[in-house]
Amino acid sequence: QKEVEQNSGPLSVPEGAIASLNCTYSDRGSQSFFWYRQYSGKSPELIMSIYSNGDQEDGRFTAQLNKASQYVSLLIRDSQPSDSATYLCAVDTGRRALTFGSGTRLQVQP
Amino acid sequence: NAGVTQTPKFQVLKTGQSMTLQCAQDMNHNSMYWYRQDPGMGLRLIYYSASEGTTDKGEVPNGYNVSRLNKREFSLRLESAAPSQTSVYFCASSEGVGVAAFFGQGTRLTVV
Repeated sequence: QKEVEQNSGPLSVPEGAIASLNCTYSDRGSQSFFWYRQYSGKSPELIMSIYSNGDQEDGRFTAQLNKASQYVSLLIRDSQPSDSATYLCAVDTGRRALTFGSGTRLQVQP
Repeated sequence: NAGVTQTPKFQVLKTGQSMTLQCAQDMNHNSMYWYRQDPGMGLRLIYYSASEGTTDKGEVPNGYNVSRLNKREFSLRLESAAPSQTSVYFCASSEGVGVAAFFGQGTRLTVV
């Protein structure tokens, strides 16, 4: 079992819809969770951090964490074509460096 | 502020050649990392340096060595390049362990 799992996609949503991306992790002791956005050919860019159960909102982005079920999700409201990218989930598993999922590719259709 | 700067951006090596990838950060971060990214594999940790003067192996260290030259600089060396090391390499830094990391622009390496 991978430590951090994501559906590779692509996840296709129409412009203006809500995109929901999910991530599960295996280490119950994980404390910190991050979402990165990566455009094709570019480096990962941090977009959200979440540390406690519940929701964390920043503009059109909401990160949700459920430690009991060991999943973290990212909601993107009012999706735009410019949101088309690969979204990477990263987890602090206590091993002194973040562990990344393989990413979910999001396509927003105009 | 430049953030995290990697050189070179692109490199083609022949099998058996050696090279060093350079990374420097200007954010006064304590921790630095080298990841490689292959299609469908996500980012895999090669080596990291939790603080100046320390380095540790990550998930895929074989074939690589690192040097934490000072607080700003963390280099990755391939002693004898192999085609399996064809990948995109990212350097990253963070204030400490368990917090968000910030990435350089990447080095696209091809070994032929």
